Amino acid sequence: SQTIHQWPATLVQPVGSPLSLECTVEGTSNPNLYWYRQAAGRGLQLLFYSVGIGQISSEVPQNLSASRPQDRQFILSSKKLLLSDSGFYLCAWSRDSYSGANVLTFGAGSRLTVL
Amino acid sequence: AQKVTQAQTEISVVEKEDVTLDCVYETRDTTYYLFWYKQPPSGELVFLIRRNSFDEQNEISGRYSWNFQKSTSSFNFTITASQVVDSAVYFCALEGGTSYGKLTFGQGTILTVHP
Repeated sequence: SQTIHQWPATLVQPVGSPLSLECTVEGTSNPNLYWYRQAAGRGLQLLFYSVGIGQISSEVPQNLSASRPQDRQFILSSKKLLLSDSGFYLCAWSRDSYSGANVLTFGAGSRLTVL
Repeated sequence: AQKVTQAQTEISVVEKEDVTLDCVYETRDTTYYLFWYKQPPSGELVFLIRRNSFDEQNEISGRYSWNFQKSTSSFNFTITASQVVDSAVYFCALEGGTSYGKLTFGQGTILTVHP
């Protein structure tokens, strides 16, 4: 069966510090990978998605970047965090399918607080 | 542009009451997919249902039922005989026919079921 892991689960960082959130998927190959952010009291917003190694698409211009160094690894980074980067970050995966209706399976999330 | 509106920010019910969560969507795509996800206090999103735009048949799964009406662009979710374990944030989401996993989420409805 497939599993998705995210870490760290909780992170408190000062403004201006770097960030690295990691996500890995097991039990599948060539998944589509996604980073979503959930700001307090709001819905989820897609930040990045990737259909393959080194292929990253950004949905929202911002202070963050993503990388996919391996097939089942997806990393969310920042060089200098802003207060507005605080939120709950969720990694998700879906099967590589062009038939539409990809069911996303989400990780447990990483809660980031920037002080 | 796609949009999902969940007008009910918070709903509070007593156990065994029926409760309906509303979802209204906007899209120009002729083919699209609708989803409901549950986010319990742990934070991880749990997939509940997927519906494509050509299938307006209502669906029932145990105490859960979904009413999809294209004429009103609505995809409402009803929980019958609610239980305390149903307490969570519920998200409705929309995926355009060619958006492959890039979901547009509503703001979510916080459901609290009191014993």
